[in-house]
Amino acid sequence: DSGVTQTPKHLITATGQRVTLRCSPRSGDLSVYWYQQSLDQGLQFLIQYYNGEERAKGNILERFSAQQFPDLHSELNLSSLELGDSALYFCASSPGATGSPLHFGNGTRLTVT
Amino acid sequence: GNSVTQMEGPVTLSEEAFLTINCTYTATGYPSLFWYVQYPGEGLQLLLKATKADDKGSNKGFEATYRKETTSFHLEKGSVQVSDSAVYFCALIIQGAQKLVFGQGTRLTINP
Repeated sequence: DSGVTQTPKHLITATGQRVTLRCSPRSGDLSVYWYQQSLDQGLQFLIQYYNGEERAKGNILERFSAQQFPDLHSELNLSSLELGDSALYFCASSPGATGSPLHFGNGTRLTVT
Repeated sequence: GNSVTQMEGPVTLSEEAFLTINCTYTATGYPSLFWYVQYPGEGLQLLLKATKADDKGSNKGFEATYRKETTSFHLEKGSVQVSDSAVYFCALIIQGAQKLVFGQGTRLTINP
């Protein structure tokens, strides 16, 4: 058990809809990272938050947004969903601002129909 | 830019066979190198790491040596088990950077 909790485990929704994925980092970790894992794109870094502030941005679409709350949990919001957004979304956390070591949650599997 | 290239999978071996999964990298600075493993239905777990040239990371019978001259970090295990079946990711991070850069992953299946 990595200590990183992601909910829900599975999500099925229709195109055009909006969903929110939630992540609780390991106790004591200040950074939260979001990754998207799809069959054709592999593991893609989306965004990082450190102690409530955006720290680094990767290949995150404008339709996607995230935030980290004062209790350090994070939410990833995906809107105007498309079929191609179907993927596994992982949250990871680390103690400091740099991405090592990373502890991953078990992911949320999003299926857009 | 920074990137990681892994050998394409899937890789299928028999139990007790020798395993090598190749990983090479391109980096603009001085990277630390990692292998992560993803078992079915789970997130990625850190398997081993090396932070400087000639370092050898090891864990659970797996080993990888940081080779700066060949920019490689190949994963090896002398005798694989069915329980080693998983997807393996090679990754790097540049000192002071915020994010890990992952390779595309290599799916390994071990048959009894």
